[in-house]
Amino acid sequence: EPEVTQTPSHQVTQMGQEVILRCVPISNHLYFYWYRQILGQKVEFLVSFYNNEISEKSEIFDDQFSVERPDGSNFTLKIRSTKLEDSAMYFCASPLADKIGTQYFGPGTRLLVL
Amino acid sequence: DQQVKQNSPSLSVQEGRISILNCDYTNSMFDYFLWYKKYPAEGPTFLISISSIKDKNEDGRFTVFLNKSAKHLSLHIVPSQPGDSAVYFCAASDPKGSARQLTFGSGTQLTVLP
Repeated sequence: EPEVTQTPSHQVTQMGQEVILRCVPISNHLYFYWYRQILGQKVEFLVSFYNNEISEKSEIFDDQFSVERPDGSNFTLKIRSTKLEDSAMYFCASPLADKIGTQYFGPGTRLLVL
Repeated sequence: DQQVKQNSPSLSVQEGRISILNCDYTNSMFDYFLWYKKYPAEGPTFLISISSIKDKNEDGRFTVFLNKSAKHLSLHIVPSQPGDSAVYFCAASDPKGSARQLTFGSGTQLTVLP
């Protein structure tokens, strides 16, 4: 399976602090996605990113969230002022160009907000 | 709004037997369906997918069946192996916009007993 990597694997932060989660998607791909899974719940779509712009975003993706592609390969999700309810696994996903609709997920970052 | 539903939170099957995981959806615009396998603290692993123009897709021990009229899909694993024990998510996407984000079900915990 194609590889998507994410760092860090775990992050613990205090409420109100900023966090940046990083992803290296499959190379030469145009679309990138962020999802999250709160413990015990379903995987939820956050945002899609195409050609250096947000393509679509969910209701969850409010003003506290932002995405960037700072250097052309890495792909970041920033939470400006974390809340307790932001504690979740955050997954980056990348599709294969020849398998439309199929997304390959990274291993995730476990975020714990205290 | 649960557009993708997995009504069985858990399923236990004897090794060597068939595992059947079910999924229902409500959005008639979905045209692509996927099954993912997930271990705790890891990202979802893509298993198999099916387009809405087909009713069956097979890959090794995994077969996905799609019944569009019933808005129902199922994943068959034959023969089941202990290593198949994991949470299985079905997901769907529709061609709205161009991002094709995935909508996930709540998952079914499969336990294959040796």
